[in-house]
Amino acid sequence: QKEVEQNSGPLSVPEGAIASLNCTYSDRVSQSFFWYRQYSGKSPELIMSIYSNGDKEDGRFTAQLNKASQYVSLLIRDSQPSDSATYLCAVNSRVGGKLIFGQGTELSVKP
Amino acid sequence: DTGVSQDPRHKITKRGQNVTFRCDPISEHNRLYWYRQTLGQGPEFLTYFQNEAQLEKSRLLSDRFSAERPKGSFSTLEIQRTEQGDSAMYLCASSPDRGPSLYSYEQYFGPGTRLTVT
Repeated sequence: QKEVEQNSGPLSVPEGAIASLNCTYSDRVSQSFFWYRQYSGKSPELIMSIYSNGDKEDGRFTAQLNKASQYVSLLIRDSQPSDSATYLCAVNSRVGGKLIFGQGTELSVKP
Repeated sequence: DTGVSQDPRHKITKRGQNVTFRCDPISEHNRLYWYRQTLGQGPEFLTYFQNEAQLEKSRLLSDRFSAERPKGSFSTLEIQRTEQGDSAMYLCASSPDRGPSLYSYEQYFGPGTRLTVT
């Protein structure tokens, strides 16, 4: 079992729709959870971080964390073509230590 | 705040040659991380430093790889006797010692160095 798992996609949604990206992790003691966006040929860009159970909203993005189910998700409301990218879920099991990444989910927003 | 910088951005080398990459973290970020990313995969951890101390090395990091951060500022990653399997994007990230919450050490990535070994 991979430590952090994501559906590779591609996930295709129409412009204006809600995109839902999911991630599961295996280490129960994981402390911090992050979503990165990566455009083709570019480096990952941090878009959301979440540390406690529940929802965290930032603009059109909402991160959801359920530690009991070892599940993290990212919702993108009013999806735009510029949101088309690969979204990477990352988990930090030890404070300040390394990030463990999923393989990423490719999102395509169609105009 | 100019962000994390990496040099060079691209490197093409022949198998068997040595290469060295440099990373300059965000100023005042004490933690510096190296990752490697191949096509279609998420970044894989290689090593990280807190100030000048190397705190963890991945088992992926063979003895051909060495990293330093001599004065706790910039870092170098050297690959000796490169192999075609070393072709990848080498990413550097930095983080402060403390983030918005007790458990957060948000990592910010540089643009990466793309290595091609022919």
